[in-house]
Amino acid sequence: DAGVTQSPTHLIKTRGQQVTLRCSPKSGHDTVSWYQQALGQGPQFIFQYYEEEERQRGNFPDRFSGHQFPNYSSELNVNALLLGDSALYLCASSPYPRTEAFFGQGTRLTVV
Amino acid sequence: LAKTTQPISMDSYEGQEVNITCSHNNIATNDYITWYQQFPSQGPRFIIQGYKTKVTNEVASLFIPADRKSSTLSLPRVSLSDTAVYYCLVGEGPAAGNKLTFGGGTRVLVKP
Repeated sequence: DAGVTQSPTHLIKTRGQQVTLRCSPKSGHDTVSWYQQALGQGPQFIFQYYEEEERQRGNFPDRFSGHQFPNYSSELNVNALLLGDSALYLCASSPYPRTEAFFGQGTRLTVV
Repeated sequence: LAKTTQPISMDSYEGQEVNITCSHNNIATNDYITWYQQFPSQGPRFIIQGYKTKVTNEVASLFIPADRKSSTLSLPRVSLSDTAVYYCLVGEGPAAGNKLTFGGGTRVLVKP
């Protein structure tokens, strides 16, 4: 049983560009959450998707947006990249509504 | 959301028991206490969760006093592979998978 898979594993972008990160949840999970983890800090909640809708959102600007597809996979989009967006982006999945979250390995985004 | 406070770092030796105490003075009645483990460049992994008294699984034990204002994660007979960051989280619901609020975590270094 594949766990949560994220792609790509590493990414380098230039300031001002846009990026799309992808996540496939664990089999049987229909809820996907995204987190940003800066170096040396704990993960910070960005938003959560369930039934293809954003259900909860953390304290992140509108430059961060997402999407969930009918097969429960999800994308995180970040526009107008800033140097401060450099971080490990983690996707977590769980079966709705509230159960243990399973995390992927993350996508390491570097903005130069 | 209840805020948590835990030590920044702890050192231990192989074979010893490691106890990490987390303070959560304003925990709410509906809140559960959950611990995650994170290795470098990987996503966090669920360790254990509890509401009151003591919970034990194959990996760890969680001790929660009657007032629930703190909790202690106990890792028995640690090995080098237990070197990681351990996060204490407090959130609503049986597993609070909806929106996890991570603090800075405790960096545990296990020495030979």
